[in-house]
Amino acid sequence: LAKTTQPISMDSYEGQEVNITCSHNNIATNDYITWYQQFPSQGPRFIIQGYKTKVTNEVASLFIPADRKSSTLSLPRVSLSDTAVYYCLVGRTGANNLFFGTGTRLTVIP
Amino acid sequence: ETGVTQTPRHLVMGMTNKKSLKCEQHLGHNAMYWYKQSAKKPLELMFVYSLEERVENNSVPSRFSPECPNSSHLFLHLHTLQPEDSALYLCASSPGPGTRYEQYFGPGTRLTVT
Repeated sequence: LAKTTQPISMDSYEGQEVNITCSHNNIATNDYITWYQQFPSQGPRFIIQGYKTKVTNEVASLFIPADRKSSTLSLPRVSLSDTAVYYCLVGRTGANNLFFGTGTRLTVIP
Repeated sequence: ETGVTQTPRHLVMGMTNKKSLKCEQHLGHNAMYWYKQSAKKPLELMFVYSLEERVENNSVPSRFSPECPNSSHLFLHLHTLQPEDSALYLCASSPGPGTRYEQYFGPGTRLTVT
C-alpha cells in the first residue's frame, strides 16, 4: 500500500500560485498519482492525474520528478473559492488501496 | 451535478432503528463505493463493489450491511448504530475499481445517531 504524506494545512493570498507537495516513497511501478479537492459537506472532486513528468489541465498542473517519490499539485492564481481540502492518492487499476489520508487544508486569504 | 445521487441527504435515527441509505449512478460505471467521513477525520473506505460483487470490506462492523442489486444502485442498510457512527456517508462510482480510475462522488448523507 503506497501511503502518502502531505502538509496538514497551507495559507495563501488570492491571486498567488499555490504548490502542494505529496510524498509517496513506496510508489509502485504501475501506480498513478491522483489529486482530489473537497469542499465542506461535499464529496471529493477529481482534479488531475498523472504518471510521470508534467500534466496540465484547465484547473491545475501536476509535476512528478523522475523518481516519482513525490508529486506537486500547482494551482495558478488561487481565488477564495479554492479554499478546500486537497487529497493526494496513489494507486492502480484493480487495486483497492483507496486511502485518502488527511489531505491538505488550503485557506485562501483575501 | 456529478451523475451520482444519494438519498436521503440528511437522516436522524435512534440506536434501535433500521434505516437504509441509497445511492444511484447514471454514468454506466462498473464500480461503486461507500465511504465514511467523521468530523475532522479523513475519508474511510468502507466497501467496494465491482460488477455487483463485493471486492472489499474494510473491517466494517456488521451493523453496516451493503447491498448492490445492479451496477447502478448501491444501498447501505443500517441497524443498531452507535452515536459514534454519526458522520457523512459518501457514495462514489468509477469505470472500474481502484485509484487508477477517476471516482465520481455523490453529495453524501449526513447521518446523526441519537
